[in-house]
Amino acid sequence: AQSVTQPDIHITVSEGASLELRCNYSYGATPYLFWYVQSPGQGLQLLLKYFSGDTLVQGIKGFEAEFKRSQSSFNLRKPSVHWSDAAEYFCAVGKSGFQKLVFGTGTRLLVSP
Amino acid sequence: GAVVSQHPSRVICKSGTSVKIECRSLDFQATTMFWYRQFPKQSLMLMATSNEGSKATYEQGVEKDKFLINHASLTLSTLTVTSAHPEDSSFYICSARSTSGVPETQYFGPGTRLLVL
Repeated sequence: AQSVTQPDIHITVSEGASLELRCNYSYGATPYLFWYVQSPGQGLQLLLKYFSGDTLVQGIKGFEAEFKRSQSSFNLRKPSVHWSDAAEYFCAVGKSGFQKLVFGTGTRLLVSP
Repeated sequence: GAVVSQHPSRVICKSGTSVKIECRSLDFQATTMFWYRQFPKQSLMLMATSNEGSKATYEQGVEKDKFLINHASLTLSTLTVTSAHPEDSSFYICSARSTSGVPETQYFGPGTRLLVL
């Protein structure tokens, strides 16, 4: 069965600094990988996704993620964090022709002035 | 594009009553919709998968008689919490998977906060 691990529950980053949120997955085949962001009391917004091809994917709001098969990772990065990026970030994995997504436990990003 | 709405955004009800939550895909057709439950500061837990015109598939441990799901059209799925109790209080989020374009992607609604008194 698929599983997703986000090892960092909370991360605090200074505004303007770079960000990397970690995501490791467990799945026997090539996964479909997603990053979603959730602001307090809101639904989830898709930041980016990886299905195949170029392992470095660009998303909205200046985010990017890199799929590394050898490390079973799909880490999210942003070169310069803005205060508005403070939110909860969820990594998720699905299977090819998938019906379900499995979510990680989320990482709460705090942005300090 | 790919907008999903939920109604209501929040609801307060008395214990023992039933509550219906609607999930609509506004600008695309969705053969499959998903219902999730999220407890405070926790991740999303899939409750059920709803396919248009057929019975929903429930995840293990989810009571299908308590959480009734109907997916009557390609743009609407409803979740009815029957005989709600305080332990059903939670944040319920739906998502919809498009039938075209990029069908592998789920688009999420804004969520419905349910409080059962």
